[in-house]
Amino acid sequence: QSVLTQPPSASGTPGQRVTISCSGSSSNIGSNTVNWYQQLPGTAPKLLIYSNNQRPSGVPDRFSGSKSGTSASLAISGLQSEDEADYYCAAWDDSLNGSSWVFGGGTKLTVL
Amino acid sequence: QVQLVQSGAEVKKPGASVKVSCKASGYTFTSYYMHWVRQAPGQGLEWMGIINPSGGSTSYAQKFQGRVTMTRDTSTSTVYMELSSLRSEDTAVYYCARGSDYAHSWGQGTLVTVSS
Repeated sequence: QSVLTQPPSASGTPGQRVTISCSGSSSNIGSNTVNWYQQLPGTAPKLLIYSNNQRPSGVPDRFSGSKSGTSASLAISGLQSEDEADYYCAAWDDSLNGSSWVFGGGTKLTVL
Repeated sequence: QVQLVQSGAEVKKPGASVKVSCKASGYTFTSYYMHWVRQAPGQGLEWMGIINPSGGSTSYAQKFQGRVTMTRDTSTSTVYMELSSLRSEDTAVYYCARGSDYAHSWGQGTLVTVSS
């Protein structure tokens, strides 16, 4: 059971806009920044969005992130076949036992 | 450019220990924290802990406390993750990832298989 909650799957057709949600709590998303990672089959994860809505250089502006309260979202516009991958949200979680880095369970995006 | 090169695949028996290395290049080794994250077959990402290569301080996920040790060697710009008392559930790909609030660069992953 992941600390951050993501839908297990999402889908869209080429050119469409798709959003993936990530729900947390006051101890993680509510008080820390959210990052998103893309993992293509058989490869290491790749940073897609950091600090809620910042894109590393080289990431297309089709990818955008947002955060509100204890939830965050990743939006992909102009969907392309190469976007088919697993997407994970992550954030630091501050509890009484200390801080830990927590992930969502991942969302498998299918481009139909 | 930043590179994180991990050691090769390992096969271990239950109860044994494994030590995975991650050699960094292309940046100042002591300037960035390093996470260790693992991924069991067909499963999601799981955080194991983080090390500060500058002073060697560590923070481990509660789940791995007592079983994991993260160290670094500044002379070779290498971080290590050792996991002891291995069980079949520890079969996974282990990644090192540079950063603190977020991981900008990741190693290629090291498959650790635990099997009798």
